[in-house]
Amino acid sequence: SAVISQKPSRDICQRGTSLTIQCQVDSQVTMMFWYRQQPGQSLTLIATANQGSEATYESGFVIDKFPISRPNLTFSTLTVSNMSPEDSSIYLCSVEERGSDTQYFGPGTRLTVL
Amino acid sequence: GENVEQHPSTLSVQEGDSAVIKCTYSDSASNYFPWYKQELGKRPQLIIDIRSNVGEKKDQRIAVTLNKTAKHFSLHITETQPEDSAVYFCAAITTDSWGKLQFGAGTQVVVTP
Repeated sequence: SAVISQKPSRDICQRGTSLTIQCQVDSQVTMMFWYRQQPGQSLTLIATANQGSEATYESGFVIDKFPISRPNLTFSTLTVSNMSPEDSSIYLCSVEERGSDTQYFGPGTRLTVL
Repeated sequence: GENVEQHPSTLSVQEGDSAVIKCTYSDSASNYFPWYKQELGKRPQLIIDIRSNVGEKKDQRIAVTLNKTAKHFSLHITETQPEDSAVYFCAAITTDSWGKLQFGAGTQVVVTP
């Protein structure tokens, strides 16, 4: 399976600031996704990162709050903008390899907003 | 859209016993059902999956069954070991959902020695 890395692994941020999370895959993948996992909860899809075009956001998530880039088939970023304590969560990227429904997750970024 | 319900939310078993987690889904077009295991502080790891053209799949101590008519699928862990302790998530996906996984709420499994 693809090897996925995320940076940073964790961060503590002040209210009102922004944080950009990077997701890097060691092979070209068709689909990349961003999820949020709030403490003790399940995974919620934020958006699908589309290569070369705007991301597709799920209900409840907007581009102004969570801008996403995907400049190529192996890299994507998620920015959490104008953060509040409610944004404290684990943010995970996942990838779906070519010709497969199987998704693999990155190690996650643990974000704490004070 | 797809809705996945998962039960129970917590499950305590004695080492060596079996554990069963059940999920139901709402969209009859769902055709792929993965199970993920998430240990504390770690990423979700795919442990087994099943497609809609198969009724059962087994991998060592883990098995998954699918009942398309009833729209439910289950994870079975036999001969449980302490390292099986984790949160388990079921998920479902449809062919026209462009890879979007809909997750269940998760089951905290605790295996006591």
